[in-house]
Amino acid sequence: DAGVIQSPRHEVTEMGQEVTLRCKPISGHNSLFWYRQTMMRGLELLIYFNNNVPIDDSGMPEDRFSAKMPNASFSTLKIQPSEPRDSAVYFCASLTRQGGTEAFFGQGTRLTVV
Amino acid sequence: LAKTTQPISMDSYEGQEVNITCSHNNIATNDYITWYQQFPSQGPRFIIQGYKTKVTNEVASLFIPADRKSSTLSLPRVSLSDTAVYYCLVGETDTGRRALTFGSGTRLQVQP
Repeated sequence: DAGVIQSPRHEVTEMGQEVTLRCKPISGHNSLFWYRQTMMRGLELLIYFNNNVPIDDSGMPEDRFSAKMPNASFSTLKIQPSEPRDSAVYFCASLTRQGGTEAFFGQGTRLTVV
Repeated sequence: LAKTTQPISMDSYEGQEVNITCSHNNIATNDYITWYQQFPSQGPRFIIQGYKTKVTNEVASLFIPADRKSSTLSLPRVSLSDTAVYYCLVGETDTGRRALTFGSGTRLQVQP
């Protein structure tokens, strides 16, 4: 298996633009997590899906952020409009089964908003 | 939530054994203890998981005392490539977010 695949790896955009980050979890995994990592705030959990259903989105910073999982093999994290403080590395992770704790992370998307 | 506390940083030399201790005084009966490793510019990577006593795999050992209020990750004979941030997590994913909520981690620096 190719592991968790995120795209793009790097994204530079101007303030106010819409940004869409993509994630393909490992086949057969039924839990998916989105994280944001910065030097100041560390690794923050944004939202968690189980069987394509959002379970906990309390970590989503504000209404400008939205996430979807239309099927078991694809998820998106969208920021609209983007702001410079959204600059961070965004990680996606998937889990083998509900109740397990061995998550597999993607390589991340480094977002820079100028 | 079972809060975890671990040292901010540690230094070691190649070939030494490194022990990183994590405190989790409020651990619940159904909680597991999981450790992750993160290298710069990469996502975290699962190292080891345990519930009680001792667990060992090809990478590390995890020691958990009977009261489970702490755990110690042991890395035998570290090398420069073990320089990374190590995270201790407590919880189970059945409750949503607990098991994959990361704290500040321990930054391990291995020197030659």
